[in-house]
Amino acid sequence: DAKTTQPPSMDCAEGRAANLPCNHSTISGNEYVYWYRQIHSQGPQYIIHGLKNNETNEMASLIITEDRKSSTLILPHATLRDTAVYYCIVRASNTDKLIFGTGTRLQVFP
Amino acid sequence: DGGITQSPKYLFRKEGQNVTLSCEQNLNHDAMYWYRQDPGQGLRLIYYSQIVNDFQKGDIAEGYSVSREKKESFPLTVTSAQKNPTAFYLCASTYGRGYNEQFFGPGTRLTVL
Repeated sequence: DAKTTQPPSMDCAEGRAANLPCNHSTISGNEYVYWYRQIHSQGPQYIIHGLKNNETNEMASLIITEDRKSSTLILPHATLRDTAVYYCIVRASNTDKLIFGTGTRLQVFP
Repeated sequence: DGGITQSPKYLFRKEGQNVTLSCEQNLNHDAMYWYRQDPGQGLRLIYYSQIVNDFQKGDIAEGYSVSREKKESFPLTVTSAQKNPTAFYLCASTYGRGYNEQFFGPGTRLTVL
Protein backbone atom coordinates (compact mmCIF):
# COMPACT_ATOMS: atom_id res chain seq x y z
CA ASP A 1 0.00 0.00 0.00
CA ALA A 2 1.19 3.48 -0.86
CA LYS A 3 2.21 5.42 2.23
CA THR A 4 1.77 8.82 0.61
CA THR A 5 -1.17 10.96 -0.45
CA GLN A 6 -1.02 13.27 -3.45
CA PRO A 7 -3.63 15.31 -5.34
CA PRO A 8 -4.62 13.49 -8.52
CA SER A 9 -3.96 16.43 -10.83
CA MET A 10 -2.60 19.97 -11.00
CA ASP A 11 -2.15 22.66 -13.64
CA CYS A 12 0.69 25.13 -13.98
CA ALA A 13 1.42 27.93 -16.44
CA GLU A 14 4.65 27.67 -18.38
CA GLY A 15 7.43 29.65 -16.71
CA ARG A 16 5.77 29.64 -13.33
CA ALA A 17 6.78 27.54 -10.34
CA ALA A 18 4.99 24.23 -9.92
CA ASN A 19 4.51 23.21 -6.29
CA LEU A 20 3.49 19.58 -5.86
CA PRO A 21 2.41 18.57 -2.34
CA CYS A 22 2.69 15.17 -0.70
CA ASN A 23 1.43 13.93 2.65
CA HIS A 24 3.28 11.12 4.42
CA SER A 25 1.97 11.36 7.94
CA THR A 26 3.08 7.84 8.95
CA ILE A 27 6.69 8.23 7.82
CA SER A 28 9.27 6.54 10.03
CA GLY A 29 12.58 7.94 11.16
CA ASN A 30 14.61 5.84 8.70
CA GLU A 31 12.44 6.53 5.67
CA TYR A 32 13.47 8.87 2.90
CA VAL A 33 11.15 10.86 0.67
CA TYR A 34 11.72 10.26 -3.05
CA TRP A 35 10.24 11.92 -6.09
CA TYR A 36 10.05 10.35 -9.53
CA ARG A 37 8.19 11.47 -12.60
CA GLN A 38 6.83 9.55 -15.57
CA ILE A 39 6.22 11.08 -18.93
CA HIS A 40 3.51 9.29 -20.87
CA SER A 41 4.46 5.73 -21.90
CA GLN A 42 8.06 6.08 -20.69
CA GLY A 43 9.93 4.71 -17.69
CA PRO A 44 9.94 6.79 -14.50
CA GLN A 45 12.78 9.24 -13.97
CA TYR A 46 14.37 9.98 -10.61
CA ILE A 47 14.11 13.63 -9.57
CA ILE A 48 15.28 14.10 -6.00
CA HIS A 49 15.19 12.61 -2.51
CA GLY A 50 15.63 13.78 1.07
CA LEU A 51 15.46 12.73 4.71
CA LYS A 52 15.11 15.80 6.90
CA ASN A 53 16.74 18.76 5.23
CA ASN A 54 15.56 20.60 2.18
CA GLU A 55 17.32 19.51 -0.98
CA THR A 56 17.97 21.14 -4.34
CA ASN A 57 19.43 19.85 -7.58
CA GLU A 58 19.38 20.90 -11.21
CA MET A 59 15.85 19.61 -11.69
CA ALA A 60 13.94 20.63 -8.58
CA SER A 61 13.82 21.52 -4.91
CA LEU A 62 12.39 19.39 -2.14
CA ILE A 63 10.95 21.06 0.95
CA ILE A 64 10.26 18.74 3.91
CA THR A 65 8.32 20.02 6.91
CA GLU A 66 9.99 19.94 10.28
CA ASP A 67 7.73 17.11 11.51
CA ARG A 68 8.43 15.26 8.22
CA LYS A 69 4.75 14.52 7.72
CA SER A 70 4.57 16.32 4.41
CA SER A 71 6.76 17.63 1.64
CA THR A 72 6.60 19.77 -1.48
CA LEU A 73 8.39 19.29 -4.76
CA ILE A 74 9.12 22.59 -6.50
CA LEU A 75 9.85 22.94 -10.19
CA PRO A 76 11.00 26.57 -10.24
CA HIS A 77 10.27 27.38 -13.88
CA ALA A 78 7.94 24.80 -15.36
CA THR A 79 8.15 24.03 -19.07
CA LEU A 80 5.83 22.08 -21.34
CA ARG A 81 8.25 19.15 -21.10
CA ASP A 82 7.57 18.94 -17.37
CA THR A 83 4.06 17.65 -18.09
CA ALA A 84 4.08 14.21 -16.46
CA VAL A 85 2.84 12.14 -13.54
CA TYR A 86 4.84 12.89 -10.41
CA TYR A 87 5.21 10.20 -7.76
CA CYS A 88 6.07 10.86 -4.13
CA ILE A 89 7.46 7.74 -2.44
CA VAL A 90 8.77 6.95 1.02
CA ARG A 91 11.42 4.30 1.29
CA ALA A 92 13.35 2.89 4.21
CA SER A 93 17.11 2.96 3.91
CA ASN A 94 17.33 -0.81 4.40
CA THR A 95 14.97 -1.84 1.61
CA ASP A 96 15.06 -1.82 -2.15
CA LYS A 97 11.33 -1.51 -2.61
CA LEU A 98 9.78 1.59 -4.09
CA ILE A 99 6.02 1.64 -3.52
CA PHE A 100 4.36 3.78 -6.15
CA GLY A 101 0.94 5.33 -5.59
CA THR A 102 -1.12 6.91 -8.36
CA GLY A 103 0.84 10.19 -8.27
CA THR A 104 -0.10 13.71 -9.39
CA ARG A 105 -0.68 14.40 -13.05
CA LEU A 106 0.91 17.81 -13.70
CA GLN A 107 -0.25 19.62 -16.83
CA VAL A 108 1.88 22.60 -17.86
CA PHE A 109 0.05 24.90 -20.25
CA PRO A 110 1.39 27.68 -22.51
CA ASP B 1 25.75 5.34 -24.00
CA GLY B 2 25.08 3.65 -20.69
CA GLY B 3 21.56 2.68 -19.89
CA ILE B 4 18.84 0.07 -19.70
CA THR B 5 17.29 -1.44 -22.78
CA GLN B 6 14.05 -3.34 -23.00
CA SER B 7 12.87 -5.10 -26.09
CA PRO B 8 10.58 -5.13 -27.84
CA LYS B 9 8.63 -1.93 -27.10
CA TYR B 10 5.34 -3.57 -28.11
CA LEU B 11 4.59 -7.29 -27.84
CA PHE B 12 1.50 -9.24 -28.79
CA ARG B 13 0.82 -12.81 -27.75
CA LYS B 14 -2.04 -15.24 -27.82
CA GLU B 15 -3.66 -16.28 -24.60
CA GLY B 16 -2.02 -19.34 -23.06
CA GLN B 17 1.44 -18.68 -24.46
CA ASN B 18 4.46 -17.96 -22.33
CA VAL B 19 6.41 -14.85 -23.31
CA THR B 20 9.82 -13.57 -22.22
CA LEU B 21 10.61 -9.87 -21.89
CA SER B 22 14.20 -8.75 -22.24
CA CYS B 23 16.04 -6.34 -19.94
CA GLU B 24 19.70 -5.49 -20.38
CA GLN B 25 21.84 -2.87 -18.61
CA ASN B 26 25.42 -1.74 -19.17
CA LEU B 27 25.61 0.43 -16.06
CA ASN B 28 27.44 -2.22 -14.03
CA HIS B 29 24.55 -2.21 -11.57
CA ASP B 30 24.19 -5.09 -9.14
CA ALA B 31 20.45 -4.83 -8.49
CA MET B 32 17.69 -5.17 -11.05
CA TYR B 33 13.91 -4.97 -10.79
CA TRP B 34 10.74 -5.73 -12.73
CA TYR B 35 7.58 -3.68 -12.30
CA ARG B 36 4.14 -3.90 -13.80
CA GLN B 37 1.96 -0.86 -14.52
CA ASP B 38 -1.74 -0.95 -15.35
CA PRO B 39 -3.57 2.03 -16.90
CA GLY B 40 -3.89 4.95 -14.49
CA GLN B 41 -2.05 3.09 -11.77
CA GLY B 42 1.34 3.26 -10.15
CA LEU B 43 4.06 0.64 -10.54
CA ARG B 44 3.93 -2.66 -8.69
CA LEU B 45 7.03 -4.76 -7.98
CA ILE B 46 7.10 -8.25 -9.55
CA TYR B 47 10.61 -9.55 -8.85
CA TYR B 48 13.98 -8.14 -7.94
CA SER B 49 17.55 -9.37 -7.87
CA GLN B 50 20.40 -7.94 -5.84
CA ILE B 51 23.17 -10.18 -7.18
CA VAL B 52 23.73 -12.72 -9.92
CA ASN B 53 22.00 -16.08 -9.41
CA ASP B 54 19.74 -14.68 -6.70
CA PHE B 55 16.30 -13.07 -6.84
CA GLN B 56 13.31 -12.40 -4.60
CA LYS B 57 9.59 -12.16 -5.15
CA GLY B 58 7.97 -8.78 -5.07
CA ASP B 59 4.35 -7.98 -4.33
CA ILE B 60 2.79 -9.62 -7.40
CA ALA B 61 5.09 -12.49 -8.41
CA GLU B 62 2.40 -15.08 -9.15
CA GLY B 63 2.38 -16.08 -12.80
CA TYR B 64 5.85 -14.68 -13.47
CA SER B 65 9.37 -16.11 -13.41
CA VAL B 66 12.83 -14.59 -13.73
CA SER B 67 16.48 -15.59 -14.02
CA ARG B 68 19.70 -13.73 -13.31
CA GLU B 69 22.53 -15.68 -14.92
CA LYS B 70 24.48 -12.57 -15.88
CA LYS B 71 24.90 -9.25 -14.10
CA GLU B 72 23.69 -7.26 -17.07
CA SER B 73 20.59 -9.30 -17.90
CA PHE B 74 17.34 -9.94 -16.02
CA PRO B 75 14.69 -11.49 -18.31
CA LEU B 76 11.08 -11.80 -17.17
CA THR B 77 8.83 -14.63 -18.33
CA VAL B 78 5.09 -14.05 -18.24
CA THR B 79 3.58 -17.50 -17.98
CA SER B 80 0.14 -18.75 -18.91
CA ALA B 81 -0.65 -18.84 -15.19
CA GLN B 82 -0.75 -15.05 -15.07
CA LYS B 83 -4.47 -14.23 -15.18
CA ASN B 84 -4.26 -10.68 -16.57
CA PRO B 85 -0.92 -10.32 -18.36
CA THR B 86 -1.80 -7.32 -20.53
CA ALA B 87 0.14 -4.42 -19.00
CA PHE B 88 3.14 -2.10 -19.31
CA TYR B 89 6.28 -3.77 -17.95
CA LEU B 90 9.21 -1.75 -16.67
CA CYS B 91 12.70 -2.89 -15.78
CA ALA B 92 14.97 -0.89 -13.46
CA SER B 93 18.44 -1.17 -11.96
CA THR B 94 20.55 0.39 -9.26
CA TYR B 95 24.03 -0.04 -7.84
CA GLY B 96 22.74 -2.03 -4.91
CA ARG B 97 20.85 -1.96 -1.67
CA GLY B 98 20.55 1.48 -0.19
CA TYR B 99 21.56 3.31 -3.34
CA ASN B 100 19.19 6.09 -4.00
CA GLU B 101 18.32 6.22 -7.64
CA GLN B 102 16.67 3.48 -9.66
CA PHE B 103 17.22 3.84 -13.39
CA PHE B 104 14.30 2.69 -15.52
CA GLY B 105 14.17 1.27 -19.01
CA PRO B 106 11.68 2.47 -21.65
CA GLY B 107 9.24 -0.35 -20.95
CA THR B 108 7.52 -3.10 -22.92
CA ARG B 109 3.80 -2.94 -23.55
CA LEU B 110 2.45 -6.50 -23.60
CA THR B 111 -0.95 -7.23 -25.07
CA VAL B 112 -2.41 -10.70 -24.80
CA LEU B 113 -5.12 -11.39 -27.34
